[in-house]
Amino acid sequence: DAGVIQSPRHEVTEMGQEVTLRCKPISGHNSLFWYRQTMMRGLELLIYFNNNVPIDDSGMPEDRFSAKMPNASFSTLKIQPSEPRDSAVYFCASSRLGQGVYEQYFGPGTRLTVT
Amino acid sequence: GQSLEQPSEVTAVEGAIVQINCTYQTSGFYGLSWYQQHDGGAPTFLSYNALDGLEETGRFSSFLSRSDSYGYLLLQELQMKDSASYFCAAILTGGGNKLTFGTGTQLKVEL
Repeated sequence: DAGVIQSPRHEVTEMGQEVTLRCKPISGHNSLFWYRQTMMRGLELLIYFNNNVPIDDSGMPEDRFSAKMPNASFSTLKIQPSEPRDSAVYFCASSRLGQGVYEQYFGPGTRLTVT
Repeated sequence: GQSLEQPSEVTAVEGAIVQINCTYQTSGFYGLSWYQQHDGGAPTFLSYNALDGLEETGRFSSFLSRSDSYGYLLLQELQMKDSASYFCAAILTGGGNKLTFGTGTQLKVEL
């Protein structure tokens, strides 16, 4: 199995630009999670989907952030417009539903730098 | 509030045994997971305790006591490659189907 795939691995952009992060979960997994990690705030859950449906987006910092999961094999996290405080590593993770959520598989992450 | 607390840093020598604790403040939960994260890498799943007691996986063991609101990760025969951050994680009361991660413990293994 290829594991969770994320792209791009690194993104450098200027303040005000739109940023789109992509994720392909592990085949057969029906829960998908977007996390953000910074030194100051640690690992934060932004949003998660069960069976492609957004369940909890309470971690999304503000309206500039949006996420979609059009099918079981693809999800995007979009930031528009981006700000320097959005600089962080963004991880996508997938798991099976129910108790399977305890065993999540993380992608390699996207390191975002907003200047 | 509900939270998972861990020591920020632990240092041990190669070959030793180290215990990383995780205490939680929540009225209910369904189990405890542990993840390892090397610098620049992604968190990787280590273990899951669904019930009280000890779970052993090679050099790593994890323990859970619901009555004491406490769990720990035990690493034996420490190796340099074990230097990493370790996170406990749990589904907290009212948390739906999502994990809340602890504050993380940075383990430094020295010669």
